[in-house]
Order: sequence, then C-alpha cells, then structure tokens
Amino acid sequence: DTAVSQTPKYLVTQMGNDKSIKCEQNLGHDTMYWYKQDSKKFLKIMFSYNNKELIINETVPNRFSPKSPDKAHLNLHINSLELGDSAVYFCASSQDRASAQETQYFGPGTRLLVL
Amino acid sequence: GESVGLHLPTLSVQEGDNSIINCAYSNSASDYFIWYKQESGKGPQFIIDIRSNMDKRQGQRVTVLLNKTVKHLSLQIAATQPGDSAVYFCAEVEGANGNNRLAFGKGNQVVVIP
Repeated sequence: DTAVSQTPKYLVTQMGNDKSIKCEQNLGHDTMYWYKQDSKKFLKIMFSYNNKELIINETVPNRFSPKSPDKAHLNLHINSLELGDSAVYFCASSQDRASAQETQYFGPGTRLLVL
Repeated sequence: GESVGLHLPTLSVQEGDNSIINCAYSNSASDYFIWYKQESGKGPQFIIDIRSNMDKRQGQRVTVLLNKTVKHLSLQIAATQPGDSAVYFCAEVEGANGNNRLAFGKGNQVVVIP
C-alpha cells in the first residue's frame, strides 16, 4: 500500500564508505526527487528525474550519484561518505514535472549517520 | 505563545484553540505555494495549496492566506488537535515549467498541549 517507500530507514556507517539508498513509488508517477533535510530541519532538493531523465541537479558534490533504472525507482549512491553527509534523505514523486502545480508525495526518509 | 527554540520557531497551543503559522517567501515571481506537515519520524505530507491569483483557500480545518504585497503566507488551523503537533513548512514553486522545484521555508514547530 505504501506509495513512496525508501530503504533502509536507518543507515549508520563509517566515513569513507560508499552506500546506497533505494526509493520506489507505486503511484505511476513520472517524476521523482531526492531531498536532504539537515539537523535544523531545513529541506533542500538535490535531484529530480522525469521518466529516467535527470532534470534537476542542484549544487551537490559529485560523490552523490542518482540512478533511475525505471520511472518507478530512483536510487541514490553516495561515495566516500563524509561527516557532513549525516542527514535525513527523502525521496518524493509527482505525477508530471510539466505542470508547476503537481503535489509531491514524500517517502518516510532515510536517516544517515556518518561516524 | 510563540518562542524561538534551539532550532525551530515553536508555537505552543492549547488543544481546541486556533493556530496560526506564518511564512515569508522570497521570490515575487512564484505563483504557487504549498503547506506541508511533517510529523516526527515521517516525511512531509501535503496539507493545502494556493495559487497566486487567490488570497485565501480553505480546506478541512485549515485555511491558507496569501498576501503577495508583502510576500507572506499563513496557515490557520482551527480547533487544534493533538494530532496537529508537527513541523509545518511552507514551500514555493520556483523555476519555469519543466524545471520546477519546491523551495521550502524554515519549519515551524507546533506543539499542542492537551
């Protein structure tokens, strides 16, 4: 039943490691997003994909690489993890990017802690 | 009353009272605004939206007011319930069609006192 799901929910890892977070949506949406929420709850977009095509790529270190195998999945791979990468990462999806007024549905978040 | 906590502005409200959460946005060209609610341990959840050609929009127990002159949004929650305890975010849509993105404001924590 879950519309937007993410795995894992919690991720604790050492600095320098490489990790992936997975996201899946079963809403039939065309557009998916990754957001980062810091310790002050500030929420900022990182990437957006529409039908497997990258359409938004904010100023994010190239250690972060999104991958969309199909339009229902958008995974986030992070290389050489740093302490500052500790945050909650949210996946979201919306029907279409073409309209400015599409509701985005968020997943439950992945809490990443880098030690 | 309203106070600034360690991280977020916090509004403490008695159950049954009305809550008002304010938000200032930055881009005068933004034409669509959304309020999201984020409960502890969960992702943001859509509450209500408003387009720039409107001043007011009502939903179930919630009302959003838009003042474009001063670039201000507010969310009013009527008869606040314990389940309304959450962090509330306003967001504006930026960018041209095809490259739209949500720009979130700072969150406001609402604590409902039973």
